Amino acid sequence: SQTIHQWPATLVQPVGSPLSLECTVEGTSNPNLYWYRQAAGRGLQLLFYSVGIGQISSEVPQNLSASRPQDRQFILSSKKLLLSDSGFYLCAWSRQLTTSYNEQFFGPGTRLTVL
Amino acid sequence: AQSVSQHNHHVILSEAASLELGCNYSYGGTVNLFWYVQYPGQHLQLLLKYFSGDPLVKGIKGFEAEFIKSKFSFNLRKPSVQWSDTAEYFCAVNAKTGGFKTIFGAGTRLFVKA
Repeated sequence: SQTIHQWPATLVQPVGSPLSLECTVEGTSNPNLYWYRQAAGRGLQLLFYSVGIGQISSEVPQNLSASRPQDRQFILSSKKLLLSDSGFYLCAWSRQLTTSYNEQFFGPGTRLTVL
Repeated sequence: AQSVSQHNHHVILSEAASLELGCNYSYGGTVNLFWYVQYPGQHLQLLLKYFSGDPLVKGIKGFEAEFIKSKFSFNLRKPSVQWSDTAEYFCAVNAKTGGFKTIFGAGTRLFVKA
């Protein structure tokens, strides 16, 4: 069976510090990978998605970046955090299919607080 | 641009009451539709999905949703809620020509009183 891991679960960082959140998927190959930010009352905002190693698409301009160094590893980074980067970050994966139907499977999330 | 609108942000019901959560989307093409649920302290998980066929779909835990194409709606229903249905519910849409991008609604927090 497939599992998705995220760490850390919670993180408190000062403004201006770097960020690295990691997501790994087990039990599947060549998944689509996604980073979302979940804000209360605003649903899930897609930040980045990836269809393969080194292939990253950004959905919104921001202070964050993403990388996919390995097939089942997806990293969310920042060089200098802003207060507005605080939030709940979710990683998700879906199977690569010939159609666009793609149920997504979500990780447990990381609660980031920037002080 | 695609968007998903959930009509209620907070819903409070007593056990055994009927539930209907509204969801409307704006996209003119063929779509896949989802309801996800996040129980307190748990991962976001799929409740049910529609991508073709019978517009009335059944999901887990007695939930169902009806796709009404003419109304661009995909409302979630349950005839009799339980305390354990307390959770946040998200409607989501993925356009069949949109590939990988799924748009989520803002979510509805449901609280069921025992």
